Amino acid sequence: SQKIEQNSEALNIQEGKTATLTCNYTNYSPAYLQWYRQDPGRGPVFLLLIRENEKEKRKERLKVTFDTTLKQSLFHITASQPADSATYLCALVLNYGGATNKLIFGTGTLLAVQP
Amino acid sequence: NAGVTQTPKFQVLKTGQSMTLQCAQDMNHEYMSWYRQDPGMGLRLIHYSVGAGITDQGEVPNGYNVSRSTTEDFPLRLLSAAPSQTSVYFCASSLVGAWTGELFFGEGSRLTVL
Repeated sequence: SQKIEQNSEALNIQEGKTATLTCNYTNYSPAYLQWYRQDPGRGPVFLLLIRENEKEKRKERLKVTFDTTLKQSLFHITASQPADSATYLCALVLNYGGATNKLIFGTGTLLAVQP
Repeated sequence: NAGVTQTPKFQVLKTGQSMTLQCAQDMNHEYMSWYRQDPGMGLRLIHYSVGAGITDQGEVPNGYNVSRSTTEDFPLRLLSAAPSQTSVYFCASSLVGAWTGELFFGEGSRLTVL
């Protein structure tokens, strides 16, 4: 069966450390993978996208890796801050061509950064 | 720019009642969609539209109707609400074909069906 899995348990880390969140999938062949941030009571906000032929993408303190062999993406936040506390969602973009591309979301991982 | 605006933010319905969740975007996006988010489950696509006059079903369309008469608006109608439709609903928009870009989400509408 097709699955996309993120750590269901909350990730608690100390301020200043690097947070690493995992997104694993089975039986999908995504063209792209996206990461979103969602704060309580708010809609998700796009953070980063990585293509299937890219190994790594960076944006400020964020880094995403994408291993299509392992079927896994890792999302890193370096020098984490309490303001980074939120739920982070990964989403697979399945390429069916143009507007019929399909987005499959994971359930998200709650990150709590302790001061 | 307001982005994606959803109304109402909160709604309580009784079983069998009907209602419409409103969604409007001011970014001239051709693609609009409705998702529902339930605890322990990822966002699930209900219906989507790739332009005015064009709509299609997503993963969980039963019990919901949509229409797209303008580029800006994409209302979601619950014809006869059921407790299983208790959820948080998100409207999202994007440029058609720009799947290297992002979905822009509204702030959500929390619906409770008693």
